[in-house]
Amino acid sequence: KAGVTQTPRYLIKTRGQQVTLSCSPISGHRSVSWYQQTPGQGLQFLFEYFSETQRNKGNFPGRFSGRQFSNSRSEMNVSTLELGDSALYLCASSFRAGREKLFFGSGTQLSVL
Amino acid sequence: GQQVMQIPQYQHVQEGEDFTTYCNSSTTLSNIQWYKQRPGGHPVFLIQLVKSGEVKKQKRLTFQFGEAKKNSSLHITATQTTDVGTYFCAGLSNFGNEKLTFGTGTRLTIIP
Repeated sequence: KAGVTQTPRYLIKTRGQQVTLSCSPISGHRSVSWYQQTPGQGLQFLFEYFSETQRNKGNFPGRFSGRQFSNSRSEMNVSTLELGDSALYLCASSFRAGREKLFFGSGTQLSVL
Repeated sequence: GQQVMQIPQYQHVQEGEDFTTYCNSSTTLSNIQWYKQRPGGHPVFLIQLVKSGEVKKQKRLTFQFGEAKKNSSLHITATQTTDVGTYFCAGLSNFGNEKLTFGTGTRLTIIP
């Protein structure tokens, strides 16, 4: 069974640009969560989707958005990039929302110059 | 909002020594999960605790969930170099739309 797949693996952007990251969950998993990881801040929750609906949202500005498709694949978008958006963005999937253990992808390392 | 803190932030131990990381939540939790992230890797699920006062063991790892379901600990006996990494707890809130909040993590370094 394939794991959680995130693309691209690395990304370099400049301030003001926008970026779209993709996540394909484990087959059969319907819940996808996104996290931002920085060295000093640990894992910060961005949002969670279940059956194409946003179920939970973290405390990030509106520049951060996401969506989930009918095949459970998810994308997150960051508009008007800032230097502080440089981070590892991790996607995690689970069969159901809430109490299930999470399976993480390898992440997308975003660098904003 | 819910906050989950872990201490210590960093821990350096000699190989063979024991290691413990503590996790404290500002609110009562439904359950708590533990993850391990190796350097350069992604978090990998270790275990989930659900019941008040629950203790679970995985070989040299012992996990505890507090009686009040607001704190937890992970203890590693006789550390090995393969234990290197960052250990995160993640608490599931008791209220509203259940949301998993990750702790700040404890980074473990082993001195051979």
